[in-house]
Amino acid sequence: SQKIEQNSEALNIQEGKTATLTCNYTNYSPAYLQWYRQDPGRGPVFLLLIRENEKEKRKERLKVTFDTTLKQSLFHITASQPADSATYLCALGSSSASKIIFGSGTRLSIRP
Amino acid sequence: GAVVSQHPSWVICKSGTSVKIECRSLDFQATTMFWYRQFPKQSLMLMATSNEGSKATYEQGVEKDKFLINHASLTLSTLTVTSAHPEDSSFYICSAPKTSGRWNEQFFGPGTRLTVL
Repeated sequence: SQKIEQNSEALNIQEGKTATLTCNYTNYSPAYLQWYRQDPGRGPVFLLLIRENEKEKRKERLKVTFDTTLKQSLFHITASQPADSATYLCALGSSSASKIIFGSGTRLSIRP
Repeated sequence: GAVVSQHPSWVICKSGTSVKIECRSLDFQATTMFWYRQFPKQSLMLMATSNEGSKATYEQGVEKDKFLINHASLTLSTLTVTSAHPEDSSFYICSAPKTSGRWNEQFFGPGTRLTVL
């Protein structure tokens, strides 16, 4: 069955460092991969989308890589700030289906 | 960006009662909306796909008679949890794509916290 794993349930890093989150998947060939931010008690907020034929995407301090051979995506936040503390979810989708499948998320904490 | 709202944001009810949750697309029309459930520290699990003017499509393991979905207009879908029990307590989130068929551009509502006593 399809499976999405995010490397760790929680990640704590020092302010100013780069946070790197990992998303691995099996038994799936996604057309695209997305990263969302979710704050406690809130719905997910879309951050970035990367397609299967793209290696890397950037948006301000965010960078996403997508390796379809390794079946892995890395999500980087550079110059991290306490305000970046949240749960980050990766999600996979196909071009033919409307469903998006979510990973369980990584809770990121940035300490001052 | 597109806005999706949910009402209520939280609800507490007694076991055995029914609860209705509304999902509205405020500045666009959505022929399709999605309902998710999220338990603490777990991922969003798709429950069903709500289709305007037709029956909802439920994911495996989701009881359609317990979770009634009505998509009566292009901007409103409702999820009714019938005969709610404590195990139904969860965070319910809806989403909608702004452009029909553009499934990779979905906008999520703020969620509804349901607590069944």
